[in-house]
Amino acid sequence: ETGVTQSPTHLIKTRGQQVTLRCSSQSGHNTVSWYQQALGQGPQFIFQYYREEENGRGNFPPRFSGLQFPNYSSELNVNALELDDSALYLCASSLRGNTGELIFGEGSRLTVL
Amino acid sequence: AQSVTQLGSHVSVSEGALVLLRCNYSSSVPPYLFWYVQYPNQGLQLLLKYTSAATLVKGINGFEAEFKKSETSFHLTKPSAHMSDAAEYFCAVSRGFQGAQKLVFGQGTRLTINP
Repeated sequence: ETGVTQSPTHLIKTRGQQVTLRCSSQSGHNTVSWYQQALGQGPQFIFQYYREEENGRGNFPPRFSGLQFPNYSSELNVNALELDDSALYLCASSLRGNTGELIFGEGSRLTVL
Repeated sequence: AQSVTQLGSHVSVSEGALVLLRCNYSSSVPPYLFWYVQYPNQGLQLLLKYTSAATLVKGINGFEAEFKKSETSFHLTKPSAHMSDAAEYFCAVSRGFQGAQKLVFGQGTRLTINP
């Protein structure tokens, strides 16, 4: 098992810019989920990808978008960054049909100035 | 809609003392329940999960949790705290259906261990 890896670990952007975060899922996992964790809060579900298609979405605007690739890795894209987008973005992989047991990466910490 | 409430944003115990972290859930369907731990500057690690089998669930690092349907609770306990248990703990609920495996997390409880 290689675990879930995310990049970059830290980044700083300015308001209005765009950002792409990357995630490699654990070997054998076919589903990727993204969560946003604001400072002092619990993670919030952004969306999930399975078979390269979005498979469920939380309460996030369309400027949050994603991709899943044939090797099950994934990207999270955020356009028109706002100050409130500053957070730890967590990627988690799982096996579809699994009872919600997610394996999380260490996250990408985004600061928007 | 599902939700989770963690009672107490901060809990402080002495090394060797009992750890009790409280979690209450709301769910319109039989829930799947989880406890995750987050160490500083790290992602989340699964401690244990309840998936409608035994109501007392044992996890890693000596932690366990009991599902009580009548109280809609899933409290996390450990008989004797260790310094390495200091971390943020999150309770989460999932519907566990074949669709999106969305977890709904509580706000978290920061556990401090006093020497």
